[in-house]
Amino acid sequence: KAGVTQTPRYLIKTRGQQVTLSCSPISGHRSVSWYQQTPGQGLQFLFEYFSETQRNKGNFPGRFSGRQFSNSRSEMNVSTLELGDSALYLCASSGTSGIVTEQFFGPGTRLTVL
Amino acid sequence: AQKVTQAQTEISVVEKEDVTLDCVYETRDTTYYLFWYKQPPSGELVFLIRRNSFDEQNEISGRYSWNFQKSTSSFNFTITASQVVDSAVYFCALSGMDSSYKLIFGSGTRLLVRP
Repeated sequence: KAGVTQTPRYLIKTRGQQVTLSCSPISGHRSVSWYQQTPGQGLQFLFEYFSETQRNKGNFPGRFSGRQFSNSRSEMNVSTLELGDSALYLCASSGTSGIVTEQFFGPGTRLTVL
Repeated sequence: AQKVTQAQTEISVVEKEDVTLDCVYETRDTTYYLFWYKQPPSGELVFLIRRNSFDEQNEISGRYSWNFQKSTSSFNFTITASQVVDSAVYFCALSGMDSSYKLIFGSGTRLLVRP
């Protein structure tokens, strides 16, 4: 079974630009969560989607948004990039609803904002 | 509020030593889940274990063992006879029972196993 895939793996952008990151969950998984990892703030939850609906959102500004498609693939978008958005963005997928099981993480997208 | 504390920022041991990584959590939920993840230099988080709040049985998996104590809100992780391949950052995480998969992570413990 293929794991969680994230594209692109590396990205360099400049301040003010916007970026879209993509995540394909494990086949059959319907939940996709996104996390931001920085040296200063650690791993922080961004949002979670289940069956195309956002179920939970972390404490991030509105510049951070996401969506999920009918095939469970998810994208997250960051508009008006700031230097502080430089981070490793991790996507995780889980299989079931209502039961907290383990989340399987992808390799991440490393975003550098110059 | 939910919180996970990993007080050990970095631990360095010599191969074959045993090492324990500490994790203390705070939550008001009566039902919750605790996790340990390993993050090697490649960056991907690797799932190690999930434990729910009703199951205080300790668990052993090969060289890995976990000690869950609700009385002290701790969920510690021990690696027996450590190996160089165990070098990584280890994260403890907490999830509530709100039916979403929001994980609250600790700050991580970097483990360096020297040959």
